[in-house]
Amino acid sequence: QKEVEQDPGPLSVPEGAIVSLNCTYSNSAFQYFMWYRQYSRKGPELLMYTYSSGNKEDGRFTAQVDKSSKYISLFIRDSQPSDSATYLCAMSSPASGGSYIPTFGRGTSLIVHP
Amino acid sequence: DGGITQSPKYLFRKEGQNVTLSCEQNLNHDAMYWYRQDPGQGLRLIYYSQIVNDFQKGDIAEGYSVSREKKESFPLTVTSAQKNPTAFYLCASKRGGSYEQYFGPGTRLTVT
Repeated sequence: QKEVEQDPGPLSVPEGAIVSLNCTYSNSAFQYFMWYRQYSRKGPELLMYTYSSGNKEDGRFTAQVDKSSKYISLFIRDSQPSDSATYLCAMSSPASGGSYIPTFGRGTSLIVHP
Repeated sequence: DGGITQSPKYLFRKEGQNVTLSCEQNLNHDAMYWYRQDPGQGLRLIYYSQIVNDFQKGDIAEGYSVSREKKESFPLTVTSAQKNPTAFYLCASKRGGSYEQYFGPGTRLTVT
């Protein structure tokens, strides 16, 4: 079983829909959670990060963490065609020995059609 | 204008040749990383460096080498020993004390 599971999709939705992207994880030591957006042939762009359970909102994006269920989500409201990209989750446990290596999900491909 | 630059964007090489990918950052970040991304496989860590003149192997270091002589720079050499070098290579950096990585635009390497 992989430490981080993420459905690769593709997830296809109409413009204006609410999108839910999810990751599950098995390592209960993970405490730091990040979402990246990656357009085709580009580097990942950090969208949101959170260090605690609960919700964090930034514009049309909401990151949700449920540590008891080992489940994180990214919600996109009023989705736009420009949101079409691959979304990667990443998570990490407190650095040990000074090192920090996040674990990434494989990414979910999102397509928002007009 | 702070950020991470990778050059070139596209790189073509013949099999058997070594090639060096550039990564520069002006964010004053301490840590730097190299990842490889293949379709459907996510990000795989090649090497990382916490401080200047120090680096550690990641999950797939075989056939690669790095150096960290300056804080701003972390070049990656893909050697002829790397069996399947064609891939998208991503460099990332991180500020000390934080957990968020920031990525460069990537270099697509094609070896024929």
